[in-house]
Amino acid sequence: DTAVSQTPKYLVTQMGNDKSIKCEQNLGHDTMYWYKQDSKKFLKIMFSYNNKELIINETVPNRFSPKSPDKAHLNLHINSLELGDSAVYFCASSLGLETNEQYFGPGTRLTVT
Amino acid sequence: SQQGEEDPQALSIQEGENATMNCSYKTSINNLQWYRQNSGRGLVHLILIRSNEREKHSGRLRVTLDTSKKSSSLLITASRAADTASYFCATDVSNYKLTFGKGTLLTVNP
Repeated sequence: DTAVSQTPKYLVTQMGNDKSIKCEQNLGHDTMYWYKQDSKKFLKIMFSYNNKELIINETVPNRFSPKSPDKAHLNLHINSLELGDSAVYFCASSLGLETNEQYFGPGTRLTVT
Repeated sequence: SQQGEEDPQALSIQEGENATMNCSYKTSINNLQWYRQNSGRGLVHLILIRSNEREKHSGRLRVTLDTSKKSSSLLITASRAADTASYFCATDVSNYKLTFGKGTLLTVNP
C-alpha cells in the first residue's frame, strides 16, 4: 500500500487555468507538507499543516491555496497558472510537528504552456 | 539563502568504490537528515543525526556531523549501480521545517 499518494502524476495545462493536486497519506501522521522542486532540483517548502491547522506558509503567491479536509489529506489548488509554476510538486508527511523523518509522495509534474 | 549546501554537485564512481558527499550549513540545528531521490521519484529518508551525535551508521551508510564546522558527510560504502540517485541533506532549525540543499548527483557505473 502506498504511504503517501498524489494525483495526478502529470499535469499539463495552459496559462491562466486553475488546477488542483491531491495528496493522501495512510500513515496516521499528523503533519503534512507541500514542496516545490524546480528544474535545478532545488526543493523548497511551501506549506505545512498539523492536524488540519496551517503551520507554515512560506512566501508563496496567493494563487496557491492549500486545503486540509482532514488529517490524512492535503490538497493544493492553484489559480491563474503561470509559466513559472512549472515544476514538480511533492507532498510529504511526518509523525508530528517535530521535524523527524518525512515521507514523500511520488510527485506531480506540472507543466504550464 | 539556503541553509544547506552539498558538495560535490556531481560524483561519478565505479561499482564497489566508496562515495562521500558533504553538506555545509549556516545556522545551529536540531538535527540533520539525508535523503535520496531516484530519477523521477519522491525523496526517501535515509538517516537522521541529532546535534548531540557525531556519527551514525545504517547498513552501508555512515553519517558524521561536526557542529563546530557546521558540516556533515554521508559515506556510502561498496557502492552499487542501484545507489545512483541524487542525495540531499536537510537541516532542522527549530521552526518546524526542513531546509534542503541542492543535492549531489551520484552516478555509480557498473
